[in-house]
Amino acid sequence: GDSVTQTEGLVTLTEGLPVMLNCTYQSTYSPFLFWYVQHLNEAPKLLLKSFTDNKRPEHQGFHATLHKSSSSFHLQKSSAQLSDSALYYCALSEAGNTGKLIFGLGTTLQVQP
Amino acid sequence: GPKVLQIPSHQIIDMGQMVTLNCDPVSNHLYFYWYKQILGQQMEFLVNFYNGKVMEKSKLFKDQFSVERPDGSYFTLKIQPTALEDSAVYFCASSLSSPGYEQYFGPGTRLTVL
Repeated sequence: GDSVTQTEGLVTLTEGLPVMLNCTYQSTYSPFLFWYVQHLNEAPKLLLKSFTDNKRPEHQGFHATLHKSSSSFHLQKSSAQLSDSALYYCALSEAGNTGKLIFGLGTTLQVQP
Repeated sequence: GPKVLQIPSHQIIDMGQMVTLNCDPVSNHLYFYWYKQILGQQMEFLVNFYNGKVMEKSKLFKDQFSVERPDGSYFTLKIQPTALEDSAVYFCASSLSSPGYEQYFGPGTRLTVL
């Protein structure tokens, strides 16, 4: 069945260093891929989404490229900020499906001064 | 941006009781979802709802669960009777269309079944 894998449970970085959070997936058909971010005591919010192979959507300094050949959708940012500290979820939704999201376990990003 | 509200934020009940979780979705959205997250585990899809009907439910959506949105008001998840394993955070979400559209999430209701 469909699944999403986020290999890191916790990533700790110093402010100013680059961010890379890994996401790989297994999908039966052609999926939409999403990154959601959840700050402490807040609702998860959409950060990025993609459906098109090799396109690189960007938002708030973050970007992710969907690579269908490697089933990956890694999240990157060139320079981490303290305010980026949050829980990041990678998720997929099958095109032609009912819209349910399948989530990874999530990666907590802690940015230190 | 648009907000989804969930009431209550916390609920503690005794096993066997009934509980109703309420969700106030984004006003023009047509698709509604419930997800369940047990502490330390990933968020898992429970059910989605469109045009007054359940579209899809997962194996987590037991017979004791039901959803409805009477007259365009709150989208509710009812559990009757509750069991210990129902303790979790329940997230409601809504979207304008589906699939591939952004789902707007509420902050969750933490349910503790004793």
